Amino acid sequence: QVQLQESGPGLVKPSETLSLTCSVSGGSISSKYWSWIRQPPGKGLEWIGYIYYSGTTKYNPSLKSRVSISVDTSNNQFSLKLTSVTAADTAVYYCARLVGPDWFGPWGQGTLVTVSS
Amino acid sequence: QSVLTQPPSVSAAPGQKVTISCSGSSSNIGNSYVSWYQQLPGTAPKLLIYENVMRPSGIPDRFSGSKSGTSATLGITGLQTGDEADYYCGTWDNSLSAWVFGGGTKLTVL
Repeated sequence: QVQLQESGPGLVKPSETLSLTCSVSGGSISSKYWSWIRQPPGKGLEWIGYIYYSGTTKYNPSLKSRVSISVDTSNNQFSLKLTSVTAADTAVYYCARLVGPDWFGPWGQGTLVTVSS
Repeated sequence: QSVLTQPPSVSAAPGQKVTISCSGSSSNIGNSYVSWYQQLPGTAPKLLIYENVMRPSGIPDRFSGSKSGTSATLGITGLQTGDEADYYCGTWDNSLSAWVFGGGTKLTVL
């Protein structure tokens, strides 16, 4: 059974870069799509982007200029970088497998990232 | 303002049935599969329905999905207090070239 686990700093300063990694266990990262989704406190879900195991990416146009997603097949991980963060980027960040790409599952447990000086 | 429109909240008594609507357009629901996610308090979302009507293994048949035109509906029968959660619909939007979610619906089992 595939499981995902996010890791990375819980606090990032304004204007700096948010970096998170998602470790995939119980299955290979190959031949699948992988995605990042975030949820500001008390608000709904926002899709950030996805990456295919080969490296092909697709980003949310609203974040495209600041987002980069990469994959490390040798370590069964994929990563998120979000540059020039502001308080509006404070959220719980989830990684998830994207199947199809028509649906998300499973999801990681999520990690709260706070942007504050 | 979400691209997909859901009611902010619904409620019903234990044992009763409830439906949650998700309204979109021809650029999203009208031309893509819809999926539904359940988010219990303090936890990550979990896939409930995929490809409009399909249930992943382990999801009870009390949960059902349907789609007609540019709208989709999640149905839950035999409500239990453990069903209290936020429910989100999601799909791909061809015009935005992005995955979009509804704003979420909070289910209260009275």
